[in-house]
Amino acid sequence: DVVMTQSPLSLPVTLGQPASISCRSSQSLVHSDGNTYLNWFQQRSGQPPRRLIYKVSTRDSGVPDRFSASGSGTDFTLKISRVEAEDVGVYYCMQGTHWPYTFGQGTKLEIK
Amino acid sequence: QVQLVQSGAEVKKPGASVKVSCKASEHTFDSYGFSWVRQAPGQGLEWMGWISGYDGDTNYAREFQGRVILTTDTSTKTAYMELRSLRSDDTAVYYCAKDRILRRWPVVDSLGYWGQGTLVTVSS
Repeated sequence: DVVMTQSPLSLPVTLGQPASISCRSSQSLVHSDGNTYLNWFQQRSGQPPRRLIYKVSTRDSGVPDRFSASGSGTDFTLKISRVEAEDVGVYYCMQGTHWPYTFGQGTKLEIK
Repeated sequence: QVQLVQSGAEVKKPGASVKVSCKASEHTFDSYGFSWVRQAPGQGLEWMGWISGYDGDTNYAREFQGRVILTTDTSTKTAYMELRSLRSDDTAVYYCAKDRILRRWPVVDSLGYWGQGTLVTVSS
């Protein structure tokens, strides 16, 4: 199975400051169809996960443009340009290039 | 935009089975599939398996093979996840999520919509 490794696991951030989360996969996530199936999810306390980003860098509808993502191959990053209070939660990367789907361990973002 | 509504919380004894339902609001039920993901208390997300709403094809995570059964009922637009031989470490919130229609790639959309979750507690 593809192992997804996130860092850091805990991310204290001052309001208005940027934040960055790294996600590395144990195998390339480039599929033979040319797509890279790497998603990012946000999970607020007591809520189901919400997809923010799919195929590496495409923002879902309604996701603020302060969220951006990039990467290729085995190395991916989620960035928040200016953290707001509503961004508190746990962020997960997930790969859908290989069966089975696998998630990173999660990064807990909190306000300093 | 599809809405997925799951069944209510369950309490089961070790060794029993549980069946969680996930009802879709969209009439084009057979144009997508469902993945099931669970989350133990205070833990991360764990993918359990996928079923196509089109042809009933399934794919299970190795650790759940033989213990989980995914099914769909197109007449009621409902997906089901049954987990057997429950253990205390199966205590978790179980989520359904809208997923790909077929096993093969390319994938148009995956895990963009989630149910609200169903807490399953396994305790003697």
